[in-house]
Amino acid sequence: GENVEQHPSTLSVQEGDSAVIKCTYSDSASNYFPWYKQELGKRPQLIIDIRSNVGEKKDQRIAVTLNKTAKHFSLHITETQPEDSAVYFCAASKRRGSSYKLIFGSGTRLLVRP
Amino acid sequence: DAGVTQSPTHLIKTRGQQVTLRCSPKSGHDTVSWYQQALGQGPQFIFQYYEEEERQRGNFPDRFSGHQFPNYSSELNVNALLLGDSALYLCASSGIEWTGGYGYTFGSGTRLTVV
Repeated sequence: GENVEQHPSTLSVQEGDSAVIKCTYSDSASNYFPWYKQELGKRPQLIIDIRSNVGEKKDQRIAVTLNKTAKHFSLHITETQPEDSAVYFCAASKRRGSSYKLIFGSGTRLLVRP
Repeated sequence: DAGVTQSPTHLIKTRGQQVTLRCSPKSGHDTVSWYQQALGQGPQFIFQYYEEEERQRGNFPDRFSGHQFPNYSSELNVNALLLGDSALYLCASSGIEWTGGYGYTFGSGTRLTVV
């Protein structure tokens, strides 16, 4: 069945350091890979996404890389700040138009120490 | 422009009871998906509605049912509640944005506690 594995489950970094979260997906037909940030008691918020025809995407301090052959993708956060502390979820989907379901990883709790 | 709105925000129910959760999608979105997020877990896909029909369904029992109305709003119904149904229920809407992208926006969720 469809599955997304995410590692690590917790990550603690010093402010200013980089953080990397890795995910592996099982369905080779997946073509859309979003990353969500969820703060305590709040909704998941999309922070960056990538489609299968792109290998890397950057948005300021955040970047995502995709290796379709290995079926894994990673989130990179540089120059981390305390406000980056949250739970991060990766997801994979076979996307067609507005109709698609997201298969989520189990989440990574990121703690940025001041 | 309102985002995805869900009601109620919190709910406490007794085992065996039935519950209805409501969702209004973001303006311009026509597809509504429901997810269950247990504490400390990632969201799990329940089902998706488009044009008032269930289009996709995850691995959830028939106790979970839904509906979509002509104005694209949606309801999630859960019958015969179990303690294990306690979770945050998230509604997400999606559609083809005018920019050509594909938005997928979550609501703040309904926290359901079954006692």
